Amino acid sequence: AQSVTQLGSHVSVSEGALVLLRCNYSSSVPPYLFWYVQYPNQGLQLLLKYTSAATLVKGINGFEAEFKKSETSFHLTKPSAHMSDAAEYFCAVTSYGGSQGNLIFGKGTKLSVKP
Amino acid sequence: ETGVTQSPTHLIKTRGQQVTLRCSSQSGHNTVSWYQQALGQGPQFIFQYYREEENGRGNFPPRFSGLQFPNYSSELNVNALELDDSALYLCASSARTDYEQYFGPGTRLTVT
Repeated sequence: AQSVTQLGSHVSVSEGALVLLRCNYSSSVPPYLFWYVQYPNQGLQLLLKYTSAATLVKGINGFEAEFKKSETSFHLTKPSAHMSDAAEYFCAVTSYGGSQGNLIFGKGTKLSVKP
Repeated sequence: ETGVTQSPTHLIKTRGQQVTLRCSSQSGHNTVSWYQQALGQGPQFIFQYYREEENGRGNFPPRFSGLQFPNYSSELNVNALELDDSALYLCASSARTDYEQYFGPGTRLTVT
């Protein structure tokens, strides 16, 4: 079975500060990992994905994440927060090669950015 | 390129009623997945449709059912609505060999 744990339901940073959102996964098979962002009253937008190629993945809006197999982690970072980054962020896992590409999501981390 | 669209955007139903939600997949995508997102939670997988057949199901009762049409659009039907069915229902489409799922804006269902 696969699962995702997002540490911290709410993270607050100042504008210009480093953003670090934590995600740990559990998977008995090689995982595919994703970060999605959700703005209020909207659907999910893909930020980036890890699909067994490079372990450091760059995404949209200046975000990146590093896959660390030894730590079963896939933390999301951004060097400098912008007010427009305020949203909810979800980490998700699925497995390659399965017949079903259903995503298993964490509970989400709400990011607040202070001016 | 048209993205994933869902209708309606909001819906209010009474307990015991039935509801149908609709989803149009992104151009070129033949797989549609449905998710339920309760308030303050991450999305939970309901089921997936591939080429008009159910291709996997999450931990949801049979009163949650679906259809996929030849144009790859899809419907989610929920019978005998319960208060706990109140949630944002998200549809996502993907190409069969690509696990990147593209989400629609969702339908907010309120059951009173």
